[in-house]
Amino acid sequence: EDQVTQSPEALRLQEGESSSLNCSYTVSGLRGLFWYRQDPGKGPEFLFTLYSAGEEKEKERLKATLTKKESFLHITAPKPEDSATYLCAVQPVTGNQFYFGTGTSLTVIP
Amino acid sequence: DSGVTQTPKHLITATGQRVTLRCSPRSGDLSVYWYQQSLDQGLQFLIQYYNGEERAKGNILERFSAQQFPDLHSELNLSSLELGDSALYFCASSGGAGGSYNEQFFGPGTRLTVL
Repeated sequence: EDQVTQSPEALRLQEGESSSLNCSYTVSGLRGLFWYRQDPGKGPEFLFTLYSAGEEKEKERLKATLTKKESFLHITAPKPEDSATYLCAVQPVTGNQFYFGTGTSLTVIP
Repeated sequence: DSGVTQTPKHLITATGQRVTLRCSPRSGDLSVYWYQQSLDQGLQFLIQYYNGEERAKGNILERFSAQQFPDLHSELNLSSLELGDSALYFCASSGGAGGSYNEQFFGPGTRLTVL
């Protein structure tokens, strides 16, 4: 069964304290893995797409990496405005469905 | 602003009723996706349409149905509503058929409350 697990559920960081969020997935062939940011009461905002193991993508203080079983979202020197829920989703090669994890709620304290 | 619009923003109704949620995709996008987000289950994929045709179906109840019109806007119909249907409903759009190599752009959502 295709599924996505994100950890931790919640993370509190001091401003400037780097850390990583984990997304483990089980899928019968990966077409793509997606990272989104969601602010309270708003729709998810696209961050990255990763297609194959070893791929990395960066955007400002965020860097996403992918292995055959998991993806990491590394946050370097976070700021309070990085506080949000970060969602991971996978799309298997069979079908067009997307499977989302339940997210990691990140709080960055000034 | 993602360019995806959803109406209404909020909807309060009673059990047993029927409602329609509307979504207009980004200009040029042919694919529309519907998702349900509740506190205990996260974001659940419901259904995808591409250029008017159903392309993929997820965890969508038989009481729910959707369609995409020639102008590419989409409607999600929810009937015989139950308390458990209370959730945020998101629409997303992308440019591709399978959405596989295209990021999805999400609308602001419709918050449905069933009393």
